[in-house]
Amino acid sequence: DAGVTQSPTHLIKTRGQQVTLRCSPKSGHDTVSWYQQALGQGPQFIFQYYEEEERQRGNFPDRFSGHQFPNYSSELNVNALLLGDSALYLCASSSRRNEQFFGPGTRLTVL
Amino acid sequence: KQEVTQIPAALSVPEGENLVLNCSFTDSAIYNLQWFRQDPGKGLTSLLLIQSSQREQTSGRLNASLDKSSGRSTLYIAASQPGDSATYLCAVNAGKSTFGDGTTLTVKP
Repeated sequence: DAGVTQSPTHLIKTRGQQVTLRCSPKSGHDTVSWYQQALGQGPQFIFQYYEEEERQRGNFPDRFSGHQFPNYSSELNVNALLLGDSALYLCASSSRRNEQFFGPGTRLTVL
Repeated sequence: KQEVTQIPAALSVPEGENLVLNCSFTDSAIYNLQWFRQDPGKGLTSLLLIQSSQREQTSGRLNASLDKSSGRSTLYIAASQPGDSATYLCAVNAGKSTFGDGTTLTVKP
């Protein structure tokens, strides 16, 4: 079992650009959650996908959007990037209310 | 709004010491609580999951407790080792997960 995988590992963008991050869940998991982690802080919940629909959403603007595919993999899209969007983006997979397993993250730098 | 606090923010101990990390939360309507460790620049590694109906969970040298009524959880690490040095995070799950900012542990040889 490969566990949760994320791509790319690192990404550098400029202000105003758009970015897409990808996540493949652990085998057997049907729920994917996305988090943003700034340096020195705990992860902040962005949103959660289950059965290809957004089920829960944290306090993030509409510039943050996502998608879940029939194979349970997921994408996070961020439009009109701001300097403050620079962070580690983490994906976690689970089976409904069970244990969450995290991927290694994508480090996004916005210049 | 759920708020999660972890105290202390940082902790330095000599090797072999037993230690306790604290996590408090404001809303007791939770599904479960999960403890993680995070090494610098890496993802999170799950340590223990406690369901809301449980009082504690154990894995090796780790023991986590949950007191929903008081909004508290503790992570006990026995016989600490330098390899335990990391940031420890607790997450409270009530549909959406809320994390504390973590406790950074340094175990000195």
